[in-house]
Amino acid sequence: AQTVTQSQPEMSVQEAETVTLSCTYDTSESDYYLFWYKQPPSRQMILVIRQEAYKQQNATENRFSVNFQKAAKSFSLKISDSQLGDAAMYFCAYRSAGSSGDKLTFGTGTRLAVRP
Amino acid sequence: ETGVTQTPRHLVMGMTNKKSLKCEQHLGHNAMYWYKQSAKKPLELMFVYSLEERVENNSVPSRFSPECPNSSHLFLHLHTLQPEDSALYLCASSRDQPTGFYGRANEKLFFGSGTQLSVL
Repeated sequence: AQTVTQSQPEMSVQEAETVTLSCTYDTSESDYYLFWYKQPPSRQMILVIRQEAYKQQNATENRFSVNFQKAAKSFSLKISDSQLGDAAMYFCAYRSAGSSGDKLTFGTGTRLAVRP
Repeated sequence: ETGVTQTPRHLVMGMTNKKSLKCEQHLGHNAMYWYKQSAKKPLELMFVYSLEERVENNSVPSRFSPECPNSSHLFLHLHTLQPEDSALYLCASSRDQPTGFYGRANEKLFFGSGTQLSVL
């Protein structure tokens, strides 16, 4: 079974600075997807960024980028130029590309605070 | 607003009550999900309705009963719950495509704002 580990329960960053949230996962599969979801105080989970395991190039979405290290099974999220609206819970998630494609395995989350 | 609406936003119920959570999606998706979010635990997938098939997590107690009358509506019927069932219940939807004989896949999930449930 796949597992996702987020070892940082809480992180804090100064506005306009850069912060990196860590995520590691365990799997025996070679083809899969990795995600970062954001859950603000409104509670609505929103997809931040998505990475296909077969792609070597790290995904980027505006101020959000990932450092995907497949051999190390590491998938960290970097937030550049942090804004107050980035304050939220961030969840790392894994999904198999095979027949269990509907099942996301989530980590326990990292709460990010942004200091003005 | 992601196009997935959940009601009620908050619910307090006694252990002998019967209540239902409702989820509605306006995105034209063909799959809907119930997740349970407890403090300091990973989100737990409870039920999936995808491509007219129901998939469930076998560890979910029978006091939780899902109903999906059509592709836009999803219910979670609750009865004789326990205090440990107190949690945030999230609904999600996606546009699934079949992959192979049994598989399905989607680009991403769209979540609602959840129902915060407290069982006294």
